[in-house]
Amino acid sequence: AQSVTQLGSHVSVSEGALVLLRCNYSSSVPPYLFWYVQYPNQGLQLLLKYTSAATLVKGINGFEAEFKKSETSFHLTKPSAHMSDAAEYFCAVSDDNQGGKLIFGQGTELSVKP
Amino acid sequence: GAGVSQSPRYKVAKRGQDVALRCDPISGHVSLFWYQQALGQGPEFLTYFQNEAQLDKSGLPSDRFFAERPEGSVSTLKIQRTQQEDSAVYLCASRQYGTGGNTIYFGEGSWLTVV
Repeated sequence: AQSVTQLGSHVSVSEGALVLLRCNYSSSVPPYLFWYVQYPNQGLQLLLKYTSAATLVKGINGFEAEFKKSETSFHLTKPSAHMSDAAEYFCAVSDDNQGGKLIFGQGTELSVKP
Repeated sequence: GAGVSQSPRYKVAKRGQDVALRCDPISGHVSLFWYQQALGQGPEFLTYFQNEAQLDKSGLPSDRFFAERPEGSVSTLKIQRTQQEDSAVYLCASRQYGTGGNTIYFGEGSWLTVV
């Protein structure tokens, strides 16, 4: 069965500092991997996705993530945090064998201090 | 439509009441998903449709939960005899094709509070 573990339920950074949100996955088949962001009282918005092309994936709002098969990781990074990045971030995994349904991690709340 | 539309956005139900939540996916999208998101948790899969066929309902928590998509577009999630533990945000999502690599687009959710 597939699963996702997000390390750290809450991460706090200063404005302008590096953002690093950690995600490790478990999958018996080559996975598709996703990062979604959720702002308060809103739905989920896709930041980026890995679908077995380039291992370094660039997304919206300056975020990127690197797929590392040897480490079963898909960590999300952004070089310089902005106040507007404060939100909940979810890592998710899927595969075609299960209809491509997303299995989500528990989420990481990102706070950005001025 | 431009995005996934859900209604109602907010619903307060008395315990034991039946509720129906509607999802209008992006026009032409084949796949439709329902997720349940409890407060402070990640979304959990409930059920999946490909066109009008319900291919996976393994996540439905009990037989009080029922979903349908009779014409392969709009979907309704029905919860019978609501309980307090049903309080959550119910997210609907759609995807253009049936393969996992395609982007899944989410609606803003229906917030259900059972009192």
